[in-house]
Amino acid sequence: GAVVSQHPSWVICKSGTSVKIECRSLDFQATTMFWYRQFPKQSLMLMATSNEGSKATYEQGVEKDKFLINHASLTLSTLTVTSAHPEDSSFYICSARAVQGPGELFFGEGSRLTVL
Amino acid sequence: AQSVTQLGSHVSVSEGALVLLRCNYSSSVPPYLFWYVQYPNQGLQLLLKYTTGATLVKGINGFEAEFKKSETSFHLTKPSAHMSDAAEYFCAVSRTGNQFYFGTGTSLTVIP
Repeated sequence: GAVVSQHPSWVICKSGTSVKIECRSLDFQATTMFWYRQFPKQSLMLMATSNEGSKATYEQGVEKDKFLINHASLTLSTLTVTSAHPEDSSFYICSARAVQGPGELFFGEGSRLTVL
Repeated sequence: AQSVTQLGSHVSVSEGALVLLRCNYSSSVPPYLFWYVQYPNQGLQLLLKYTTGATLVKGINGFEAEFKKSETSFHLTKPSAHMSDAAEYFCAVSRTGNQFYFGTGTSLTVIP
């Protein structure tokens, strides 16, 4: 299957700093990528849909200025958590579809963010 | 709107026993259906999917699921549980292929 890679897998930062997480589709072009947040023992919460060459579409309740998403190319989307605080600590997962229509989502390995 | 219900947030089975993880969906039209597995601190891996055609779908690692339109269900089964099956399982539905709705997940424990 298609491969989606996330980097970094783990990141620890101080409160007030910004953290960037990268999501790459390694063997296919992804015009659309999705960013999810997952709290411990809970399901995935869709944060935003990242569209190549245009602004991301955020889900209700997700702060656009806090979670900056950039989809600069067909293989790369980035999520920047700005001025991170302890409540932003979470597991962030990106995904992408390789084809149009009902193709499955391919997920990255996830990035665990811990804000001290 | 679509939603997914996974009955049983925790399921325990003995090694070698049948695995049954339940998933029901609500949708005005039959959606596309997926089962994903997540191991600790990892992303999600597709087990199987139903889009069209045969309603009994076979996936990886010996898992299969049956789409039952009349019951709006897509339960996941495996005849014989293995220790390596212990993980979190998510059922998901999508109508357009863009918006995916995930269930709350079922944690599977396999008892030796």
